[in-house]
Amino acid sequence: GAVVSQHPSRVICKSGTSVKIECRSLDFQATTMFWYRQFPKQSLMLMATSNEGSKATYEQGVEKDKFLINHASLTLSTLTVTSAHPEDSSFYICSAKWTSGRVGDTQYFGPGTRLTVL
Amino acid sequence: DAKTTQPPSMDCAEGRAANLPCNHSTISGNEYVYWYRQIHSQGPQYIIHGLKNNETNEMASLIITEDRKSSTLILPHATLRDTAVYYCIVRVVSYNTDKLIFGTGTRLQVFP
Repeated sequence: GAVVSQHPSRVICKSGTSVKIECRSLDFQATTMFWYRQFPKQSLMLMATSNEGSKATYEQGVEKDKFLINHASLTLSTLTVTSAHPEDSSFYICSAKWTSGRVGDTQYFGPGTRLTVL
Repeated sequence: DAKTTQPPSMDCAEGRAANLPCNHSTISGNEYVYWYRQIHSQGPQYIIHGLKNNETNEMASLIITEDRKSSTLILPHATLRDTAVYYCIVRVVSYNTDKLIFGTGTRLQVFP
């Protein structure tokens, strides 16, 4: 099946620092990537949608200046949490889809990145 | 807002079929129903999706009612490794958006 990876799998940082999370589609080209956030015992919440080569579309209530998304190639998207604070601690998950070919247009998810801000 | 409702939890004996229901009474004619599952602290895993017809793959079967207002995911022979949260999702598509809105899901516990 389609494989999506994330790096790092977990990160611990100090309050005020910035953290970059990478999302890669390993065996297909992703025209669109999505970023989700999941707090403990809650469901996934969509943060933003990014199309390769264009600006990301953020969901209501998500600060675009705090959560910087770059989708510079068909296999890589990055999420940078700027000036992270303890309330940003969460499980961040990306997904990717391609609109044709073997994988159709189903979203395939990465394994997630656990961010802890001290 | 999520367009689906699911029971919060279900139990199933190992080896038996697990039938997970989902209501999506406001689904539109061109909207697909997707099922994913999430094992603790992992990313969601795609299971199956459908529009009108029943679907089957190596993981599960999806039964969609004729009026499309509800569906059932069937795991024919549940194993302990099927213990997870199962999400039924209506994929929302418009001229400028295409996204999955997750609800709260059903926590399936498979017991020996």
